[in-house]
Amino acid sequence: EVQVVETGGGLIQPGGSLRLSCAASGFTVSSNYMSWVRQAPGKGLEWVSVIFSVGSTFYADSVKGRFIISRDSSKNTLYLQMNSLRAEDTAVYYCARERMRMTMVQGVGRDSYWFDTWGQGTLVTVSS
Amino acid sequence: QSVLTQPPSVSGAPGQRVTISCTGSSSNIGAGYDVHWYQQLPGTAPKLLIYGNNNRPSGVPDRFSGSKSGTSASLAITGLQADDEADYYCQSYDSSLSGRVFGGGTKLTVL
Repeated sequence: EVQVVETGGGLIQPGGSLRLSCAASGFTVSSNYMSWVRQAPGKGLEWVSVIFSVGSTFYADSVKGRFIISRDSSKNTLYLQMNSLRAEDTAVYYCARERMRMTMVQGVGRDSYWFDTWGQGTLVTVSS
Repeated sequence: QSVLTQPPSVSGAPGQRVTISCTGSSSNIGAGYDVHWYQQLPGTAPKLLIYGNNNRPSGVPDRFSGSKSGTSASLAITGLQADDEADYYCQSYDSSLSGRVFGGGTKLTVL
């Protein structure tokens, strides 16, 4: 069965650091695109970061320079290192496997990405 | 403000049909990027409902369907059931932001 399980959330003071983990089973993390998506209490979904199978990483502007996505192939685990945490980073953080397809639109290729496997999430609360 | 715009809420009686709209712009839906839909039941993680505009993953009933035209997309749910009550999110890719983007979510209430 394909699944991911997030751990590492908790209460952290503003300015602090926290590392989230996402253990995968049923598939290989390093062969897939993997993302972190967060949801603030009572709010909608916000994409945070992605790591491609080739290792390229991308971030939302709201976390760029503060968060680092990485993976450990030997443990089949995805990570999110969160530094300089702010109150607005308070959210449930979901790990998700991505799928991609390319379509041609008026002769131009368009890569589209979606999330087909989600974990149960881990809550990060940034508060003093 | 979300990059993709959805109505905050929709409602319908059991057995009825409802639609949820998702409006984007020329840098996301209008640029030809696919739209995907997720269902989030209360207290649970999101679940993929529709991918690539109109494709259902295995196990998703054919009561759920998606469509896309221009800078907008829609999710249609027919034969409404009580356990369809959930939050629904659209998602695409935005070339200006170079990232995945979501709609603000729509709460479906089954009357």
